[in-house]
Amino acid sequence: DTAVSQTPKYLVTQMGNDKSIKCEQNLGHDTMYWYKQDSKKFLKIMFSYNNKELIINETVPNRFSPKSPDKAHLNLHINSLELGDSAVYFCASSQVAGGPKTQYFGPGTRLLVL
Amino acid sequence: AQSVTQLGSHVSVSEGALVLLRCNYSSSVPPYLFWYVQYPNQGLQLLLKYTSAATLVKGINGFEAEFKKSETSFHLTKPSAHMSDAAEYFCAVSDQANNLFFGTGTRLTVIP
Repeated sequence: DTAVSQTPKYLVTQMGNDKSIKCEQNLGHDTMYWYKQDSKKFLKIMFSYNNKELIINETVPNRFSPKSPDKAHLNLHINSLELGDSAVYFCASSQVAGGPKTQYFGPGTRLLVL
Repeated sequence: AQSVTQLGSHVSVSEGALVLLRCNYSSSVPPYLFWYVQYPNQGLQLLLKYTSAATLVKGINGFEAEFKKSETSFHLTKPSAHMSDAAEYFCAVSDQANNLFFGTGTRLTVIP
């Protein structure tokens, strides 16, 4: 029944490691997103992807790369993790962009870099 | 560029009292505005959205918001707070590509 799911829910890792967060949606949506929520609860868009085009927020380091094996998945790969990457990462999905389409969010992945 | 400002990072109300959470927007084009709620350790859930169809928007759980262009505001209200309303509330504006730009959030505490 879960519309947007993320794995893992918690991720604790060492600085310098490479990790991935998986996201899947079963809503048949065409567009998926990644957001980062910092320790002060501030949410910021990282990427949006509509299976044709990847839109990157210019402030996102190139250590972060989204990968979409198919329309229902948008995974987030992070290389050379840094302490400042510790945050909650949310995946979301919506219908094709172009109007006020509701985004449906996953439960979040809490990443802690030690 | 689109942005929203939420006034008050923390609001406390008594159970049964009026809830008012403030949001002001800045947008170079007619805005699409949203309110999302985040319960502890959960993802975000849409409360309501403004799509220019009507200035008073009704959402889930008894919440509503009024779009006021002259004040560039989209404040969220609920006539009577319930304990279950305690959560973090986010106002957001979307760009033409449907990317959401969030405010800094307002934590609502409901006092019994």
